[in-house]
Amino acid sequence: DIVVTQSPDSLAVSLGERATINCKSSQSVLYSSNNNNYLAWYQQKPGQPPKLLIYWASTRESGVPDRFSGSGSGTDFTLTISSLQAEDVAVYYCQQYYGAPYTFGQGTKLEIK
Amino acid sequence: QAHLVQSGAEVKEPGASVKVSCRASGYMFTSYAMHWVRQAPGQGLEWMGWINAGNSDTKFSQKFQGRVTITADTSANTAYMELSSLRSEDTAVYYCARAAAWFDPWGQGTLVTVSS
Repeated sequence: DIVVTQSPDSLAVSLGERATINCKSSQSVLYSSNNNNYLAWYQQKPGQPPKLLIYWASTRESGVPDRFSGSGSGTDFTLTISSLQAEDVAVYYCQQYYGAPYTFGQGTKLEIK
Repeated sequence: QAHLVQSGAEVKEPGASVKVSCRASGYMFTSYAMHWVRQAPGQGLEWMGWINAGNSDTKFSQKFQGRVTITADTSANTAYMELSSLRSEDTAVYYCARAAAWFDPWGQGTLVTVSS
């Protein structure tokens, strides 16, 4: 099984500042035949289901603000929020969809400082 | 626009089974897989299994093998997840999620409480 580990577990950032969340997989999720990283990022607010933000590690889902960006390849990935807004308070999860079981990171709780 | 609507909350006694439904609309049901993910109170996301709605092939997490059944009724555009031999640790919100690769959209979630 691919183990996905996020850091940090929690993060407090001032409004307007940059937030960075890291995600590491225990094996590469880069599929060589298409050069795509099988890694997604989700945002979950209390009482709501997860919402897709980023897929293929760096492709922003339609309607997601451009302050959200994803980067990385192979086993190391990053979600960056360039200028934190109040509505970004949530738990963020990365997930590998390279192969079953489709594992999630443990989540990173993002709060306002 | 794709949309998933799940059945309502359930309360079950230990040892019982629960069956959660997930009705899809806004897309061709048989062209996508449907995954099931659960979230225990205050915890993270745990993948349980999936079904290819086109041919009913299934695959499950080793953790739930033998206890979970996932089916799809293509005439009703609905997927089902049944979990048996329930124990208190199965208390969680259960989500369905459509996937071709990444998971999107997700159902609203179904709270299953296991308590005597």
